[in-house]
Amino acid sequence: QQQVKQSPQSLIVQKGGIPIINCAYENTAFDYFPWYQQFPGKGPALLIAIRPDVSEKKEGRFTISFNKSAKQFSLHIMDSQPGDSATYFCAASNGGFQKLVFGTGTRLLVSP
Amino acid sequence: GAVVSQHPSRVICKSGTSVKIECRSLDFQATTMFWYRQFPKQSLMLMATSNEGSKATYEQGVEKDKFLINHASLTLSTLTVTSAHPEDSSFYICSARPGQGEGYTFGSGTRLTVV
Repeated sequence: QQQVKQSPQSLIVQKGGIPIINCAYENTAFDYFPWYQQFPGKGPALLIAIRPDVSEKKEGRFTISFNKSAKQFSLHIMDSQPGDSATYFCAASNGGFQKLVFGTGTRLLVSP
Repeated sequence: GAVVSQHPSRVICKSGTSVKIECRSLDFQATTMFWYRQFPKQSLMLMATSNEGSKATYEQGVEKDKFLINHASLTLSTLTVTSAHPEDSSFYICSARPGQGEGYTFGSGTRLTVV
């Protein structure tokens, strides 16, 4: 119930493409769904987050789509750039200062 | 934005020795901090939740006597890896949340190598 399943494991797109990363969860008590970007040797950095009362959120080139009934959410990266090449993690938590549960990660490579 | 500072960024120690990693919230108070461990090409695994002024809560399978956590102030939590062994070599990352409506901020991580 505490798991967050993430796919694909890796992804290669050309510059300008729109990579899509998907996550699914079981725990309906989760109420906060962030996406993190991690470069090698660095800590994760928050990209964008959504709560279950909205179906979509955009920040710059990053968009989260959220489907509460299907218990799924996804990250879209518009006009992807080689600098977006990194590992992306979805996560979820329920309430207040509860722990984050992470997905397994997606390694994205954006080719020039 | 909120900043979590983690030190050291890299440490190499001999097998059997202890290593302390510090995690500081620079511009906010953190009653709760989280410690994660990440192996190469894997996800972050929560080790323990650090609570200011009380005992840490450890995840199942994490040896609390080996990974000592101290959260003595609202801005500092420390993780001490005691009697380190090569299998403890990993990337350790701390995290805190400035407020209930805000995102979790992560430190830059500590690469521990035990030789």
